[in-house]
Amino acid sequence: GQQVMQIPQYQHVQEGEDFTTYCNSSTTLSNIQWYKQRPGGHPVFLIQLVKSGEVKKQKRLTFQFGEAKKNSSLHITATQTTDVGTYFCAETSGSRLTFGEGTQLTVNP
Amino acid sequence: EAQVTQNPRYLITVTGKKLTVTCSQNMNHEYMSWYRQDPGLGLRQIYYSMNVEVTDKGDVPEGYKVSRKEKRNFPLILESPSPNQTSLYFCASSRRQGPREKLFFGSGTQLSVL
Repeated sequence: GQQVMQIPQYQHVQEGEDFTTYCNSSTTLSNIQWYKQRPGGHPVFLIQLVKSGEVKKQKRLTFQFGEAKKNSSLHITATQTTDVGTYFCAETSGSRLTFGEGTQLTVNP
Repeated sequence: EAQVTQNPRYLITVTGKKLTVTCSQNMNHEYMSWYRQDPGLGLRQIYYSMNVEVTDKGDVPEGYKVSRKEKRNFPLILESPSPNQTSLYFCASSRRQGPREKLFFGSGTQLSVL
């Protein structure tokens, strides 16, 4: 499948700071999904982006899909300790979902 | 409760001893898949199944087998485990195969091969 590169691999923030993770591809993506995995847990679906330039919000989380559909971002405003975990983007290639390497977020209280 | 159930949660075994990790979903999902998760490598697909008796290789199928005899079950078989198969394994399912279906994951199986 296609490859998506996710950066940064790790991010440490103070509680209240913002956080952004990026997902990039060299080719056009059909859609992007975002998942969150809490420490010791399993990935949980957050959202799916399909349209070029799409922006979706879930409370403090803002998801964007690039105009060229080659990149996506997840932005968290004013992080909280409950945001701790690893965030994965995933792109579809045919019938399969291919995941990025993930960004591990730690939040210092 | 709708869920994907994996067993066991933890497994320690020795090289060469056949093992099976079970996966079952109660959502009547057509699509099921196995992933392994290793530090710095994200989630890599091992095998997937688009329906009963239909399975196909993912990105890292070597050393693994699967079967899909019933819609709800998708066991992962390691015929002769080796230490490089030490990993965290996740089973996942979705309503049907396709680019816009979200995955539901099991709780994971931490496997150690000594």
